[in-house]
Amino acid sequence: EAGVAQSPRYKIIEKRQSVAFWCNPISGHATLYWYQQILGQGPKLLIQFQNNGVVDDSQLPKDRFSAERLKGVDSTLKIQPAKLEDSAVYLCASSPLAGGRETQYFGPGTRLLVL
Amino acid sequence: DQQVKQNSPSLSVQEGRISILNCDYTNSMFDYFLWYKKYPAEGPTFLISISSIKDKNEDGRFTVFLNKSAKHLSLHIVPSQPGDSAVYFCAAGETSYDKVIFGPGTSLSVIP
Repeated sequence: EAGVAQSPRYKIIEKRQSVAFWCNPISGHATLYWYQQILGQGPKLLIQFQNNGVVDDSQLPKDRFSAERLKGVDSTLKIQPAKLEDSAVYLCASSPLAGGRETQYFGPGTRLLVL
Repeated sequence: DQQVKQNSPSLSVQEGRISILNCDYTNSMFDYFLWYKKYPAEGPTFLISISSIKDKNEDGRFTVFLNKSAKHLSLHIVPSQPGDSAVYFCAAGETSYDKVIFGPGTSLSVIP
């Protein structure tokens, strides 16, 4: 079974530029998550989708971050404009509809460096 | 406001010995706890969990202990193996279906 795919794996941009990350979850997983992991901290949930609807986006900085999952499968996370403090690893995860956190599978992440 | 704390950023243990990783939390509403393991350049993977109705859960070499009154849990790895070298994250939530809060992680090195 293929795992969660993310691209790109690395991205370097200058502040005020925009950037987008892509995630393809495990086939059949209805729930998709985006996390931000800043160096030295644990992952922090940015947004959770169930199919193509948003379940929780309470910690998404909506003035600069946006995410979509139009067809209930893959998803993109965008930052516009980026700030220095956005430098982090962005992790995507997916789980089955009725699955608990034990069934949440993470992708390898996209490492973003904002200069 | 760190709701989940892992006060040891790193830990070194000899192969074959016991590794003990600690985690403290502040939110008394947390009733479900998980440990994740993360290798470099990979995402975290689920390792073991425990709910507040138990004080111990065991899975092979991994055992998690929960002391709810002290708001403390620990992960024991016995015996430790070099392949256990990774970052271990403690996470907590109100149920297994709710958003979990992750601790900052402890980097474990198992020395052959």
